[in-house]
Amino acid sequence: KAGVTQTPRYLIKTRGQQVTLSCSPISGHRSVSWYQQTPGQGLQFLFEYFSETQRNKGNFPGRFSGRQFSNSRSEMNVSTLELGDSALYLCASRGQSTNEKLFFGSGTQLSVL
Amino acid sequence: DQQVKQNSPSLSVQEGRISILNCDYTNSMFDYFLWYKKYPAEGPTFLISISSIKDKNEDGRFTVFLNKSAKHLSLHIVPSQPGDSAVYFCAASANGGFKTIFGAGTRLFVKA
Repeated sequence: KAGVTQTPRYLIKTRGQQVTLSCSPISGHRSVSWYQQTPGQGLQFLFEYFSETQRNKGNFPGRFSGRQFSNSRSEMNVSTLELGDSALYLCASRGQSTNEKLFFGSGTQLSVL
Repeated sequence: DQQVKQNSPSLSVQEGRISILNCDYTNSMFDYFLWYKKYPAEGPTFLISISSIKDKNEDGRFTVFLNKSAKHLSLHIVPSQPGDSAVYFCAASANGGFKTIFGAGTRLFVKA
């Protein structure tokens, strides 16, 4: 079974631009979560999608948005990029059973200049 | 509001000795706890978990202890190996785990 795939692996953008990150979950997984990792802050929860519906949301501004498609693939969009958005963005998928563990992709490293 | 706290940013241990990584949480609704390990340039991978109905779970060299009254859990690695050098994240969830909250991580160095 293929793992969680995130593209692109690296991105460099400038302030004010917008960016779209992509995530393909493990086959059969319908839940996709997004996290932001910055030094000292650990993994900050952005949002979680299940069957194309956002089920949970973290404390991030509205510039951060996401969506999930019928094939469970998910995209995350950040508009009007700020320097502080530079981070590793991780996507994770999980199965449907209660408390199933998360399987993470390798992440997209975003640098905002 | 950090609901899951890992107060030690780093820990250094000699090979063969015990590594103890600590984690505190504030939300009494959390009922499932997990540890993940992360190497550079890779995503976190699941290590071990524990349900709130237990106080200990063991898997090979890894043991997680849960103290619900103190809202504290710890991960013990015995014996520690150089390959265990990584960042360890504590995580917690409630009500089925649809939103998993992570701590800031502890970087473990195991010296040969």
